[in-house]
Amino acid sequence: GEDVEQSLFLSVREGDSSVINCTYTDSSSTYLYWYKQEPGAGLQLLTYIFSNMDMKQDQRLTVLLNKKDKHLSLRIADTQTGDSAIYFCAETTPDNYGQNFVFGPGTRLSVLP
Amino acid sequence: DAGITQSPRHKVTETGTPVTLRCHQTENHRYMYWYRQDPGHGLRLIHYSYGVKDTDKGEVSDGYSVSRSKTEDFLLTLESATSSQTSVYFCAISGPGTHHYEQYFGPGTRLTVT
Repeated sequence: GEDVEQSLFLSVREGDSSVINCTYTDSSSTYLYWYKQEPGAGLQLLTYIFSNMDMKQDQRLTVLLNKKDKHLSLRIADTQTGDSAIYFCAETTPDNYGQNFVFGPGTRLSVLP
Repeated sequence: DAGITQSPRHKVTETGTPVTLRCHQTENHRYMYWYRQDPGHGLRLIHYSYGVKDTDKGEVSDGYSVSRSKTEDFLLTLESATSSQTSVYFCAISGPGTHHYEQYFGPGTRLTVT
């Protein structure tokens, strides 16, 4: 079945860039997402990318997709303490009308002052 | 924020008791989901619904049942709670829109089974 993998922890200094990586196995994945979860809260959709795109930029966030290697990354520029959270990568395919979202285990980002 | 509420937000119950969690949406979305979140496992799908009275099992459905009698409500029932069902439960919705297949999550219910 489909699988999504992420490293579990990442620490960066405030002001540096953070890069969170994700790999997935389903070659038919069409939509790939990044979610952010702050302590005690639900998941918040940060950004998404369609599989026919290589890159998407949204303010401090840059998403890169390498479809050949099935690798997705999220770069956060000028990382702030408010970016400390768990970041989830997720994918889905349109074949099942969006029924099946597969999530990675989440990467806990710690931003050090 | 998408209009999704979950109730209760916190619950402590004893092993063997039935528990029902409620998810309510105001977005009129077709798809609704129940996930559980546990350390080291990320999010795991319990059940989902693709319409009123239409539901199907997810990855970890054993010990859980669901019902959806109205578009806006999706109920998750633990018939006889066990300690292994201590977790944080999230409801999510998705539907067609400007950006297809985006999922939006509720605030979560923290369930402790003693």
